[in-house]
Amino acid sequence: AQKVTQAQTEISVVEKEDVTLDCVYETRDTTYYLFWYKQPPSGELVFLIRRNSFDEQNEISGRYSWNFQKSTSSFNFTITASQVVDSAVYFCALSESGGSNYKLTFGKGTLLTVNP
Amino acid sequence: GAVVSQHPSRVICKSGTSVKIECRSLDFQATTMFWYRQFPKKSLMLMATSNEGSKATYEQGVEKDKFLINHASLTLSTLTVTSAHPEDSSFYICSARVDLALAYTFGSGTRLTVV
Repeated sequence: AQKVTQAQTEISVVEKEDVTLDCVYETRDTTYYLFWYKQPPSGELVFLIRRNSFDEQNEISGRYSWNFQKSTSSFNFTITASQVVDSAVYFCALSESGGSNYKLTFGKGTLLTVNP
Repeated sequence: GAVVSQHPSRVICKSGTSVKIECRSLDFQATTMFWYRQFPKKSLMLMATSNEGSKATYEQGVEKDKFLINHASLTLSTLTVTSAHPEDSSFYICSARVDLALAYTFGSGTRLTVV
Protein backbone atom coordinates (compact mmCIF):
# COMPACT_ATOMS: atom_id res chain seq x y z
CA ALA A 1 0.00 0.00 0.00
CA GLN A 2 1.17 3.48 -0.74
CA LYS A 3 2.06 5.84 2.05
CA VAL A 4 3.30 9.40 2.35
CA THR A 5 4.97 10.76 5.46
CA GLN A 6 5.45 14.42 6.21
CA ALA A 7 7.18 14.38 9.55
CA GLN A 8 7.04 18.14 10.08
CA THR A 9 3.62 19.09 11.38
CA GLU A 10 4.32 22.78 11.71
CA ILE A 11 7.19 25.05 10.72
CA SER A 12 7.55 28.70 11.58
CA VAL A 13 10.12 30.94 9.91
CA VAL A 14 10.85 34.60 9.55
CA GLU A 15 10.43 36.22 6.17
CA LYS A 16 13.38 35.78 3.79
CA GLU A 17 14.54 32.60 5.45
CA ASP A 18 14.85 29.46 3.36
CA VAL A 19 12.72 26.52 4.43
CA THR A 20 12.61 22.86 3.40
CA LEU A 21 9.55 20.70 3.73
CA ASP A 22 10.25 16.99 3.92
CA CYS A 23 8.34 14.20 2.24
CA VAL A 24 9.07 10.48 2.36
CA TYR A 25 7.00 7.97 0.47
CA GLU A 26 6.44 4.24 0.28
CA THR A 27 5.27 2.32 -2.74
CA ARG A 28 5.68 -1.09 -4.32
CA ASP A 29 5.15 0.20 -7.82
CA THR A 30 8.04 1.01 -10.10
CA THR A 31 5.96 3.64 -11.87
CA TYR A 32 4.45 6.31 -9.69
CA TYR A 33 3.90 10.04 -9.51
CA LEU A 34 4.66 12.51 -6.77
CA PHE A 35 2.94 15.82 -6.19
CA TRP A 36 3.08 18.87 -4.00
CA TYR A 37 0.01 20.98 -3.29
CA LYS A 38 -0.47 24.20 -1.37
CA GLN A 39 -3.63 24.78 0.64
CA PRO A 40 -4.11 28.39 1.77
CA PRO A 41 -6.70 29.25 4.44
CA SER A 42 -9.40 29.48 1.78
CA GLY A 43 -9.18 25.69 1.47
CA GLU A 44 -8.64 25.39 -2.24
CA LEU A 45 -5.79 23.12 -3.30
CA VAL A 46 -3.16 24.70 -5.50
CA PHE A 47 -1.06 22.38 -7.66
CA LEU A 48 2.67 23.05 -7.41
CA ILE A 49 4.47 20.19 -9.13
CA ARG A 50 4.24 16.64 -10.43
CA ARG A 51 7.19 14.30 -10.73
CA ASN A 52 7.34 10.92 -12.49
CA SER A 53 9.24 8.08 -10.87
CA PHE A 54 11.50 7.71 -13.87
CA ASP A 55 12.56 11.34 -13.87
CA GLU A 56 14.89 12.14 -11.01
CA GLN A 57 15.90 15.55 -12.21
CA ASN A 58 15.51 18.24 -9.63
CA GLU A 59 13.37 21.16 -10.55
CA ILE A 60 13.42 24.86 -9.84
CA SER A 61 10.56 27.24 -10.38
CA GLY A 62 11.26 30.71 -9.14
CA ARG A 63 11.71 30.54 -5.37
CA TYR A 64 10.54 26.92 -5.29
CA SER A 65 12.73 23.91 -5.80
CA TRP A 66 12.24 20.19 -5.43
CA ASN A 67 14.74 17.46 -4.66
CA PHE A 68 13.65 13.98 -5.74
CA GLN A 69 15.83 11.13 -4.47
CA LYS A 70 14.63 7.60 -5.26
CA SER A 71 17.44 6.08 -3.19
CA THR A 72 15.90 7.56 -0.03
CA SER A 73 12.30 7.67 -1.29
CA SER A 74 12.16 11.36 -0.63
CA PHE A 75 10.71 14.32 -2.48
CA ASN A 76 11.59 17.43 -0.53
CA PHE A 77 10.40 20.94 -1.26
CA THR A 78 12.42 24.07 -0.59
CA ILE A 79 11.18 27.64 -0.57
CA THR A 80 13.97 30.17 -0.91
CA ALA A 81 13.60 33.63 0.59
CA SER A 82 10.21 32.84 2.06
CA GLN A 83 7.42 35.41 2.03
CA VAL A 84 4.35 35.90 4.19
CA VAL A 85 2.18 34.81 1.25
CA ASP A 86 3.84 31.41 1.41
CA SER A 87 2.02 30.73 4.67
CA ALA A 88 -0.23 27.73 4.04
CA VAL A 89 -0.50 24.01 4.54
CA TYR A 90 1.62 22.06 2.08
CA PHE A 91 0.75 18.51 1.11
CA CYS A 92 2.91 15.92 -0.55
CA ALA A 93 0.98 13.23 -2.43
CA LEU A 94 1.62 9.98 -4.26
CA SER A 95 -0.21 8.30 -7.11
CA GLU A 96 0.50 4.77 -8.23
CA SER A 97 -0.18 3.44 -11.68
CA GLY A 98 -2.34 0.49 -12.50
CA GLY A 99 -5.31 -0.96 -10.72
CA SER A 100 -5.99 1.89 -8.36
CA ASN A 101 -7.44 4.45 -10.75
CA TYR A 102 -4.32 6.46 -9.95
CA LYS A 103 -5.82 7.57 -6.68
CA LEU A 104 -3.85 10.17 -4.75
CA THR A 105 -2.64 9.46 -1.26
CA PHE A 106 -1.80 12.55 0.75
CA GLY A 107 0.63 13.07 3.56
CA LYS A 108 -0.65 14.74 6.71
CA GLY A 109 0.57 18.11 5.58
CA THR A 110 2.98 20.70 6.96
CA LEU A 111 1.64 24.00 8.20
CA LEU A 112 4.12 26.69 7.21
CA THR A 113 3.89 30.05 8.90
CA VAL A 114 6.08 32.83 7.57
CA ASN A 115 6.27 35.74 9.97
CA PRO A 116 7.11 39.27 8.86
CA GLY B 1 -6.89 24.59 -17.98
CA ALA B 2 -9.24 21.97 -16.61
CA VAL B 3 -11.68 23.37 -14.07
CA VAL B 4 -13.95 21.60 -11.63
CA SER B 5 -16.80 23.62 -10.22
CA GLN B 6 -17.99 22.50 -6.78
CA HIS B 7 -21.24 23.66 -5.17
CA PRO B 8 -22.24 24.69 -2.65
CA SER B 9 -19.15 26.18 -1.05
CA ARG B 10 -20.82 26.28 2.35
CA VAL B 11 -23.93 24.61 3.69
CA ILE B 12 -25.53 24.42 7.09
CA CYS B 13 -28.17 21.79 7.59
CA LYS B 14 -30.20 20.34 10.39
CA SER B 15 -29.42 16.99 11.86
CA GLY B 16 -31.30 14.23 10.06
CA THR B 17 -31.56 15.95 6.72
CA SER B 18 -29.65 15.13 3.53
CA VAL B 19 -27.24 17.34 1.66
CA LYS B 20 -26.11 17.05 -1.94
CA ILE B 21 -22.75 18.35 -3.14
CA GLU B 22 -22.12 18.72 -6.86
CA CYS B 23 -18.93 18.71 -8.85
CA ARG B 24 -18.94 19.60 -12.51
CA SER B 25 -16.03 19.45 -14.89
CA LEU B 26 -16.43 22.55 -17.02
CA ASP B 27 -14.20 22.03 -20.02
CA PHE B 28 -13.19 18.39 -19.99
CA GLN B 29 -14.62 14.97 -19.40
CA ALA B 30 -13.92 13.54 -15.98
CA THR B 31 -13.79 9.79 -16.32
CA THR B 32 -12.72 9.37 -12.72
CA MET B 33 -13.75 11.49 -9.76
CA PHE B 34 -12.38 11.24 -6.26
CA TRP B 35 -14.14 12.46 -3.12
CA TYR B 36 -12.15 13.52 -0.09
CA ARG B 37 -13.01 14.59 3.40
CA GLN B 38 -10.85 16.88 5.48
CA PHE B 39 -11.22 17.58 9.19
CA PRO B 40 -9.77 20.81 10.60
CA LYS B 41 -5.97 20.79 10.57
CA LYS B 42 -5.96 17.30 9.14
CA SER B 43 -5.08 15.72 5.84
CA LEU B 44 -7.34 14.84 2.96
CA MET B 45 -8.80 11.39 3.42
CA LEU B 46 -10.05 9.63 0.33
CA MET B 47 -13.64 8.54 0.76
CA ALA B 48 -14.41 6.99 -2.60
CA THR B 49 -13.48 6.77 -6.24
CA SER B 50 -16.16 6.93 -8.89
CA ASN B 51 -15.97 6.10 -12.56
CA GLU B 52 -18.59 7.36 -14.91
CA GLY B 53 -21.43 4.91 -15.34
CA SER B 54 -20.38 2.48 -12.64
CA LYS B 55 -20.73 2.13 -8.89
CA ALA B 56 -18.31 4.00 -6.70
CA THR B 57 -15.51 2.22 -4.88
CA TYR B 58 -15.46 3.20 -1.23
CA GLU B 59 -12.44 3.23 1.04
CA GLN B 60 -12.43 1.06 4.10
CA GLY B 61 -14.50 2.51 6.90
CA VAL B 62 -16.61 4.78 4.71
CA GLU B 63 -20.33 4.03 4.90
CA LYS B 64 -21.59 3.78 1.36
CA ASP B 65 -25.22 4.02 2.44
CA LYS B 66 -24.51 7.28 4.18
CA PHE B 67 -22.32 8.88 1.55
CA LEU B 68 -24.05 8.27 -1.76
CA ILE B 69 -21.98 8.98 -4.83
CA ASN B 70 -23.40 9.30 -8.29
CA HIS B 71 -21.34 9.76 -11.44
CA ALA B 72 -23.95 9.47 -14.12
CA SER B 73 -22.20 11.60 -16.71
CA LEU B 74 -18.68 12.53 -17.68
CA THR B 75 -19.17 16.06 -16.43
CA LEU B 76 -21.11 15.62 -13.20
CA SER B 77 -20.51 13.75 -9.98
CA THR B 78 -22.50 14.19 -6.79
CA LEU B 79 -22.00 13.28 -3.16
CA THR B 80 -25.09 13.08 -0.98
CA VAL B 81 -24.67 12.96 2.77
CA THR B 82 -27.80 11.22 3.98
CA SER B 83 -29.32 11.69 7.44
CA ALA B 84 -26.53 14.03 8.36
CA HIS B 85 -25.30 14.26 11.94
CA PRO B 86 -22.99 16.76 13.61
CA GLU B 87 -20.04 14.37 13.27
CA ASP B 88 -20.45 14.59 9.48
CA SER B 89 -19.49 18.25 9.68
CA SER B 90 -16.33 18.56 7.62
CA PHE B 91 -14.73 19.97 4.48
CA TYR B 92 -15.52 17.86 1.42
CA ILE B 93 -13.45 18.16 -1.75
CA CYS B 94 -13.85 16.51 -5.12
CA SER B 95 -11.05 15.88 -7.57
CA ALA B 96 -11.20 14.88 -11.19
CA ARG B 97 -8.39 13.07 -12.86
CA VAL B 98 -7.49 14.58 -16.20
CA ASP B 99 -6.46 11.44 -18.03
CA LEU B 100 -4.01 12.48 -20.66
CA ALA B 101 -2.06 14.75 -18.41
CA LEU B 102 -2.27 12.55 -15.34
CA ALA B 103 -3.17 15.67 -13.49
CA TYR B 104 -5.79 16.21 -10.85
CA THR B 105 -8.13 19.12 -10.75
CA PHE B 106 -9.73 19.90 -7.42
CA GLY B 107 -13.00 21.56 -6.64
CA SER B 108 -12.93 24.48 -4.26
CA GLY B 109 -14.48 22.41 -1.50
CA THR B 110 -17.70 22.40 0.48
CA ARG B 111 -17.79 23.22 4.16
CA LEU B 112 -20.63 21.28 5.69
CA THR B 113 -21.93 22.15 9.14
CA VAL B 114 -24.64 19.97 10.64
CA VAL B 115 -26.47 21.53 13.57
